[in-house]
Amino acid sequence: NAGVTQTPKFRILKIGQSMTLQCTQDMNHNYMYWYRQDPGMGLKLIYYSVGAGITDKGEVPNGYNVSRSTTEDFPLRLELAAPSQTSVYFCASRESRSPNEQFFGPGTRLTVL
Amino acid sequence: EDKVVQSPLSLVVHEGDTVTLNCSYEVTNFRSLLWYKQEKKAPTFLFMLTSSGIEKKSGRLSSILDKKELSSILNITATQTGDSAIYLCALRNNAGNMLTFGGGTRLMVKP
Repeated sequence: NAGVTQTPKFRILKIGQSMTLQCTQDMNHNYMYWYRQDPGMGLKLIYYSVGAGITDKGEVPNGYNVSRSTTEDFPLRLELAAPSQTSVYFCASRESRSPNEQFFGPGTRLTVL
Repeated sequence: EDKVVQSPLSLVVHEGDTVTLNCSYEVTNFRSLLWYKQEKKAPTFLFMLTSSGIEKKSGRLSSILDKKELSSILNITATQTGDSAIYLCALRNNAGNMLTFGGGTRLMVKP
């Protein structure tokens, strides 16, 4: 199993540009999450999904959108990038029966200039 | 709103020292508290605590929850340079599917 994979690893955007951060897991996990981590800070939940077709807002959803058309994929979309969205983005997934352990992807480092 | 506060923010020790990291929380309906270690990239799971007073142990790392004090500690004995990382505490309540993370403690272990 590859686990949770994220692409790209790094990206620089200009203000106002759009992009999609990709996240895929091959563990057949129902639950998937998107977090952002600012320098020196903990993780903040952006959006999460409890299964295909179902998404919900987390703590800091403004400026982002998600979709969950399949169990495996949970892309995160930034429509109009802003400098405040400069951060490291982590995707995570977990089994329904293991409510506490989340498996994290390697992260995407995004800089908005 | 659930809240998780970790202290200290950062810590520098020498190899062989013992360290104690703190996590305090406010939650409406507690379900579990988790500790993660984050080195260069993604966090990796260390411990899950649900019951007060029961120590979880893995090698030189141990953790215990005190529900009365709304806190948990993570102990690392005989620290090694490989223990250098950010240690994250996270809280899950009964209501939702989300984890609330603290800001982390950055530990640096010098040779």
